Amino acid sequence: DQQVKQNSPSLSVQEGRISILNCDYTNSMFDYFLWYKKYPAEGPTFLISISSIKDKNEDGRFTVFLNKSAKHLSLHIVPSQPGDSAVYFCAASPSGNTGKLIFGQGTTLQVKP
Amino acid sequence: DVKVTQSSRYLVKRTGEKVFLECVQDMDHENMFWYRQDPGLGLRLIYFSYDVKMKEKGDIPEGYSVSREKKERFSLILESASTNQTSMYLCASGSPPWEQYFGPGTRLTVT
Repeated sequence: DQQVKQNSPSLSVQEGRISILNCDYTNSMFDYFLWYKKYPAEGPTFLISISSIKDKNEDGRFTVFLNKSAKHLSLHIVPSQPGDSAVYFCAASPSGNTGKLIFGQGTTLQVKP
Repeated sequence: DVKVTQSSRYLVKRTGEKVFLECVQDMDHENMFWYRQDPGLGLRLIYFSYDVKMKEKGDIPEGYSVSREKKERFSLILESASTNQTSMYLCASGSPPWEQYFGPGTRLTVT
């Protein structure tokens, strides 16, 4: 039972345009959401997060939007750069401060020069 | 800078062998985690530990065990390796518990 889903395995965008990566979840008890980026042969690195009490968080070119009623979050990258090409994972933290994260399957983003 | 190191980048083992994967973090984090990453499945939690000598099962603990004797070190043990344990293994640590910092990964092949 996949509680966090990234339904698009891959996404290709042109340099300078917006990249939108999507993530859906099923558990309304998740209280924190995160995005990680992963390059080949490296571990994932933390990118941006959002608490369930907010609907938007922005950090430079990266913005995460949370729609709790739809159980949906998205990561916007504007403008996209070739160095953004990587696998992006969304993750959710169940309430209760257990420290666990539940990850989606990942979306491979390719930004073309 | 947080540093999480894993003992090997690549490992090849035979079916039935006992395999040890070591992970060390240098930021005094309470929580440590072991995941495996497989194509199309994302990262799946095998075990985690929130304190020395404490451990909890993740989503796919079968065939694995862990050891945490010191705060900075978390070991994953495959008691009898099988071919379906061929995967990328990722260790992470974190404190507060939400933001986890990952090591570079160990690509394990079991033949």
